[in-house]
Amino acid sequence: KAGVTQTPRYLIKTRGQQVTLSCSPISGHRSVSWYQQTPGQGLQFLFEYFSETQRNKGNFPGRFSGRQFSNSRSEMNVSTLELGDSALYLCASSLAPEATYNEQFFGPGTRLTVL
Amino acid sequence: SQQGEEDPQALSIQEGENATMNCSYKTSINNLQWYRQNSGRGLVHLILIRSNEREKHSGRLRVTLDTSKKSSSLLITASRAADTASYFCATVPFSGGYNKLIFGAGTRLAVHP
Repeated sequence: KAGVTQTPRYLIKTRGQQVTLSCSPISGHRSVSWYQQTPGQGLQFLFEYFSETQRNKGNFPGRFSGRQFSNSRSEMNVSTLELGDSALYLCASSLAPEATYNEQFFGPGTRLTVL
Repeated sequence: SQQGEEDPQALSIQEGENATMNCSYKTSINNLQWYRQNSGRGLVHLILIRSNEREKHSGRLRVTLDTSKKSSSLLITASRAADTASYFCATVPFSGGYNKLIFGAGTRLAVHP
């Protein structure tokens, strides 16, 4: 089985621009979660999607949004980029959110640099 | 915000030695998981321990959980240079949704040949 794929792997943007990151989960996985990793704040949960619905949301401003398509692929969007949005954005997929055992499989991440 | 603290922040050992990393968390949890990350890449799931379990083994890994102290430890026995990575504990809060992982700050492990 192919793993979680994220595109693009690297991205450079300037302040004020917007960006869209993509995540394709493992085949059969229906839950996709997004995390932001920075040196200062560490790994922080952004949001989770299941069956095209956002089920959980972290403590991030409204500039951060996401969606999930019927094939479980997910995108996240950051509008009006700020320097502090520079981070590694990780996507994780799992079978379903209801199970108490939930191994999440992470993609390699998208490294976003905001200049 | 992060759920907990990990200590030490960095650990440097020789191949063959054991490495112990500790994690503390703040709220009631459903389960606790340990992940490894190599050089800013994706995270690899190592082991999950449920809140009603006290100890779990997987190969050279041993995880303990003390819910009364809200702490966990990860022991890597007979370490190898390939174990060099950052290790993170992540909790699933009791009321937070099963896929909402709350990560600790991580321990950077360096294993020298």
